Amino acid sequence: DAKTTQPNSMESNEEEPVHLPCNHSTISGTDYIHWYRQLPSQGPEYVIHGLTSNVNNRMASLAIAEDRKSSTLILHRATLRDAAVYYCILSRRYGGTASKLTFGTGTRLQVTL
Amino acid sequence: DAGVIQSPRHEVTEMGQEVTLRCKPISGHNSLFWYRQTMMRGLELLIYFNNNVPIDDSGMPEDRFSAKMPNASFSTLKIQPSEPRDSAVYFCASTTGQESYEQYFGPGTRLTVT
Repeated sequence: DAKTTQPNSMESNEEEPVHLPCNHSTISGTDYIHWYRQLPSQGPEYVIHGLTSNVNNRMASLAIAEDRKSSTLILHRATLRDAAVYYCILSRRYGGTASKLTFGTGTRLQVTL
Repeated sequence: DAGVIQSPRHEVTEMGQEVTLRCKPISGHNSLFWYRQTMMRGLELLIYFNNNVPIDDSGMPEDRFSAKMPNASFSTLKIQPSEPRDSAVYFCASTTGQESYEQYFGPGTRLTVT
């Protein structure tokens, strides 16, 4: 599986936007970009995913570079509840089966008042 | 829906004992995943099933670990015999496996082997 590189940690002030970067220079044409997050003492939680185009949902936005070698997860207004470890994952689908996810070390986001 | 259900939530056992972790996926989901999380190794995929059939068990650490999915609503992960290095949080996740890319994770089972 292609690997991703993320900063170990980031800090943000509450109610400010947060841009979480992810590099995936060896991405292949069939790899989807997924973002999950893990709040303290909980299981991971799906945030967003995309293939080529930018994506928006109620939780976040995903900006994908034109060459797909990097992406950025955007939290438009960080809250204290967004403090978590954010994982950027590449995954390839095979036929109609579910995607296998390989988690890296992620980025620990701290949000302060 | 209640989400993915795992039991027990906490398990403390002695080295050498058999441990069985249980998972009930979300109704209608046909893919199920078992993960293990430790501070040293992070979150690792152990095995996953599609339509109750194991698809990839390459993450299962050794023969002491086994997983079954006898039907669409139940899966077990068994460790026999358990060792202190098996101490971790074990997560189960499920997804529809078709057009959905979203895996739904359970709350996890914290296993401590003394």
